[in-house]
Amino acid sequence: EIVLTQSPATLSLSPGERATLSCRASQSVSSYLAWYQQKPGQAPRLLIYDASNRATGIPARFSGSGSGTDFTLTISSLEPEDFAVYYCQQRSNWPRLITFGQGTRLEIK
Amino acid sequence: QVTLRESGPALVKPTQTLTLTCTFSGFSLSTSGMCVSWIRQPPGKALEWLALIDWDDDKYYSTSLKTRLTISKDTSKNQVVLTMTNMDPVDTATYYCARMIGGTTPLPTFYDYWGQGTLVTVSS
Repeated sequence: EIVLTQSPATLSLSPGERATLSCRASQSVSSYLAWYQQKPGQAPRLLIYDASNRATGIPARFSGSGSGTDFTLTISSLEPEDFAVYYCQQRSNWPRLITFGQGTRLEIK
Repeated sequence: QVTLRESGPALVKPTQTLTLTCTFSGFSLSTSGMCVSWIRQPPGKALEWLALIDWDDDKYYSTSLKTRLTISKDTSKNQVVLTMTNMDPVDTATYYCARMIGGTTPLPTFYDYWGQGTLVTVSS
């Protein structure tokens, strides 16, 4: 089973700053990696799919990069509504199972 | 417009079997490339993937929970059902259903629509 490790666990930044979140896979997942944002009491919201493609309606300040085992979600300039928990998720070609990372909490400094 | 909605009991007793239903609209699970999954989230904890069923009726289960899970679909009713046996207090969580599709590749790989979730508490 592929394990996704997200770092840091918590990131404290101020509005306007740049956020860099990391997701590392225990083996290659090619580009089959997605990022989600979750706010308290809400379902997760898709941000990025297939490593670098923004989902419909997602602002351009969100970007994804990486392939193989190392992936990054970057928020170029934080807005107040961006403070939330972020999860990465993979589905590889084999085994065709799905895993989520443990999440990164982005909090206001 | 794609929507998904979870339904089921809010409270189950230890050792009982949980049955959850995901009722969806705006797409057909008989369309190639469509999948529906169940995902759960214990209070204050991370998301945990449970099971997936695809358009071809292929089923995939979490390695750690596969002996307790069964996923099925009723395409005519636009429903996906998850059963989990031998419930325990550690299974207390919000249970989500979500649609999985593919993007730049044929393999469905990400969840674009989620239900609002249903909280299931396991307690005697």
